[in-house]
Amino acid sequence: NAGVTQTPKFRVLKTGQSMTLLCAQDMNHEYMYWYRQDPGMGLRLIHYSVGEGTTAKGEVPDGYNVSRLKKQNFLLGLESAAPSQTSVYFCASRPDGNTEAFFGQGTRLTVV
Amino acid sequence: RKEVEQDPGPFNVPEGATVAFNCTYSNSASQSFFWYRQDCRKEPKLLMSVYSSGNEDGRFTAQLNRASQYISLLIRDSKLSDSATYLCVVNMALSSASKIIFGSGTRLSIRP
Repeated sequence: NAGVTQTPKFRVLKTGQSMTLLCAQDMNHEYMYWYRQDPGMGLRLIHYSVGEGTTAKGEVPDGYNVSRLKKQNFLLGLESAAPSQTSVYFCASRPDGNTEAFFGQGTRLTVV
Repeated sequence: RKEVEQDPGPFNVPEGATVAFNCTYSNSASQSFFWYRQDCRKEPKLLMSVYSSGNEDGRFTAQLNRASQYISLLIRDSKLSDSATYLCVVNMALSSASKIIFGSGTRLSIRP
């Protein structure tokens, strides 16, 4: 079972470049999330979605945009990358608002 | 004040020891609670859900105290393979959805 798949797994960007991180889940989950994880900071919520066509801001949304055009995909965009966005990005999904979340393997992004 | 707070550790204990982690949360409307485990450079994975009556899974016991807004995890007879970061996770109800908030994690290192 694929579960939650993130692409790419690694990326190096130059300051000012743009990119899109893709999260795909094959479990028919309604809820999807994007987190970033930095040393000593734990996982911080960037944006989330409670269903196809919906998105909402999390704790640290600035500098990021998201889209959920299809239920199985949740895209995270960086329009103009900054060194402060160097981090490990995790996508997660879950069936509803009360159950456990399942995580992708993470994307390690470095902005130079 | 952080919404979910954990002692960051690190806890360094000998194999076979019993170790306990604590976690406090600030939102009394929180609905459900989890402990996740995260290995170095890997994604978080569910260790166990935390139920109001407390629950046990082998060597692991989780407790919830809603009045004190406190969650605990007890690991008995610790193994080398228990070395990881343990994340306290709280599911918070919102007006239209719910989101999951992570503590910063507690690092555990088991020595032979």
